[in-house]
Amino acid sequence: EAGVAQSPRYKIIEKRQSVAFWCNPISGHATLYWYQQILGQGPKLLIQFQNNGVVDDSQLPKDRFSAERLKGVDSTLKIQPAKLEDSAVYLCASSLVTSGANVLTFGAGSRLTVL
Amino acid sequence: QKEVEQDPGPLSVPEGAIVSLNCTYSNSAFQYFMWYRQYSRKGPELLMYTYSSGNKEDGRFTAQVDKSSKYISLFIRDSQPSDSATYLCALRASGGGADGLTFGKGTHLIIQP
Repeated sequence: EAGVAQSPRYKIIEKRQSVAFWCNPISGHATLYWYQQILGQGPKLLIQFQNNGVVDDSQLPKDRFSAERLKGVDSTLKIQPAKLEDSAVYLCASSLVTSGANVLTFGAGSRLTVL
Repeated sequence: QKEVEQDPGPLSVPEGAIVSLNCTYSNSAFQYFMWYRQYSRKGPELLMYTYSSGNKEDGRFTAQVDKSSKYISLFIRDSQPSDSATYLCALRASGGGADGLTFGKGTHLIIQP
């Protein structure tokens, strides 16, 4: 089974620029998550999709962050304009079901550095 | 008080030692308790999960949950250098809908050969 694919792996931008990250979840996984992991911290949930609908985006800074999941498969997370504090690893995860333990499979992440 | 507290370490132990990693939490709604392992520059991968209180064993790993104390532990027996990684506890309340995991900060573990 192929894993969760993310790109780009690394991105360096200046503050106030924009950036987009792409995620391809495991085939058949209906639920997709974007997490932000700041250095030395645990991952923090930004947004959860069920198929192509948003289930939870309560912690997404909507003034600068946006995400979409077209056709219920791939997803894109965008930051515009970026701030210094957005420097982090952006992790995409997917899961097959959302009951019980709801095991998440994570991608390797996209590391963003904002200068 | 944060929802999940975890000592970030680093925790350095010699090869072969028994390792104890712990988290405390404040939200009694959490029902599912997971441990993820994260190697440098990789995404977290699930090690173990338990439901409610009790113990669960898988090879050299044992997960323990004490809901009355809101305390969870992961024990690693016969630790190996390949166990060197960051260990994240992750908790989830029961029920469907919005169910993203709440993570601890992670404990950086170093096993010295």
